[in-house]
Amino acid sequence: NAGVMQNPRHLVRRRGQEARLRCSPMKGHSHVYWYRQLPEEGLKFMVYLQKENIIDESGMPKERFSAEFPKEGPSILRIQQVVRGDSAAYFCASSPPSLAGATDTQYFGPGTRLTVL
Amino acid sequence: GNSVTQMEGPVTLSEEAFLTINCTYTATGYPSLFWYVQYPGEGLQLLLKATKADDKGSNKGFEATYRKETTSFHLEKGSVQVSDSAVYFCALSSGGSNYKLTFGKGTLLTVNP
Repeated sequence: NAGVMQNPRHLVRRRGQEARLRCSPMKGHSHVYWYRQLPEEGLKFMVYLQKENIIDESGMPKERFSAEFPKEGPSILRIQQVVRGDSAAYFCASSPPSLAGATDTQYFGPGTRLTVL
Repeated sequence: GNSVTQMEGPVTLSEEAFLTINCTYTATGYPSLFWYVQYPGEGLQLLLKATKADDKGSNKGFEATYRKETTSFHLEKGSVQVSDSAVYFCALSSGGSNYKLTFGKGTLLTVNP
C-alpha cells in the first residue's frame, strides 16, 4: 500500500508567481490535512479537508492561500502571488474514514520544500 | 493555546548509547501525546502515542510515559543504533478538534558507529 504522496518534492518560485502543491492520500483515506513548517519552527496545522469539502481552515492565512480536495484527483494547496515568507516545508497527511470522523492518527507525506526567490 | 517544547538539537550519540529527548507541553483538557520520527527523505511516521496520564507508549525499543504532574512526555531508548538517526517530533492533540496536531520544533539525532 503506497504511502501519502506529495509532489513536487522541491519547488522554486519567484515572488509574485503561483505555487501548486499536490497531495495524494493513502488508498482508502478520505481525510486530508495540510501543515506548514517554517524554518526553525514546528509543523503548524493549516487546513482539514474531506472529499469536496473544507472542514476546518482555521490555520490558513486569510489571503493568497486556498486548498481543495476534489472528488477525483489529489488534494491541491495553492499559494497565489508568493512572497519570501512563504518559503517553508508543506506537509500533507491523511487518515481513513471512521465513525469518529477526523482522527489524530495521521499518515504523513514526505513534504514539499517551497523556496521563494 | 496548546504548545509543545522539546529539546534543542542536534543530538549526537555513539551506537549503543542511552537516548533521552525531553518534551514538555501546555494544553487545555487532557491531550493525547505523540512522538513522530522522520527519516531522511521520508514523511513523518508515528513512533508511539499515549492517550492518558501514566500511559506508556512504546515501539521499536523507544518508550515515553505520559506524566501529567510534570506535563512531560520524554522519549527514551536504552541502546541507539545508527539506523535511529532521524528527526524526532513531539506532538499533542486535544479538545474537540483532535485532528489538529501541535508539534514541537523537532530534534535531529545522529548516531555514529
